[in-house]
Amino acid sequence: AQSVTQLDSQVPVFEEAPVELRCNYSSSVSVYLFWYVQYPNQGLQLLLKYLSGSTLVKGINGFEAEFNKSQTSFHLRKPSVHISDTAEYFCAVTDDNYGQNFVFGPGTRLSVLP
Amino acid sequence: NAGVTQTPKFQVLKTGQSMTLQCAQDMNHNSMYWYRQDPGMGLRLIYYSASEGTTDKGEVPNGYNVSRLNKREFSLRLESAAPSQTSVYFCASSAWGGSDGYTFGSGTRLTVV
Repeated sequence: AQSVTQLDSQVPVFEEAPVELRCNYSSSVSVYLFWYVQYPNQGLQLLLKYLSGSTLVKGINGFEAEFNKSQTSFHLRKPSVHISDTAEYFCAVTDDNYGQNFVFGPGTRLSVLP
Repeated sequence: NAGVTQTPKFQVLKTGQSMTLQCAQDMNHNSMYWYRQDPGMGLRLIYYSASEGTTDKGEVPNGYNVSRLNKREFSLRLESAAPSQTSVYFCASSAWGGSDGYTFGSGTRLTVV
């Protein structure tokens, strides 16, 4: 069975500082990896995804993530955060095309401080 | 585009009452999903419908039923609500399976007292 670990439940960071949100997964087969963002009182929005190819994936709002197969990680980074990036971020993994094995991590709450 | 629309946005039920959460998408997506979100637990899949005419159980199906009414609509029913079903419920859709990424609705906040 797959699982997703997000080691940091909360990450406070000052505006314009860099940030890294960590995600590790466990799976015995090839996987597809995703990061979603949830702003307060809203649904989740896809930030970026890794399906195959280049291990560095660029997403919306200046975020990027790097797939590291040997470390089973898919960490999310942004070189300079804004107040508007304050939200909860979810890492997710699936090993199939049909969605029944789509597993979300518990989430990391990013708070950007002025 | 409306995307994925969920109704109602908020609901309070008494233990034992029943209700149906409605979900509709206008993106011609084949696959639809119902998740619940609880603090510290991420999202957990309740039921999904890979395509019109099919439904399957997810990780936490007990106490719920679903209906894929047509390609656009996928409803979630609580037959006899329990306090443990207090949660935020999200409907999502994808063109064809999880690798496309999901489009989520804005959620239904349900409280069972």
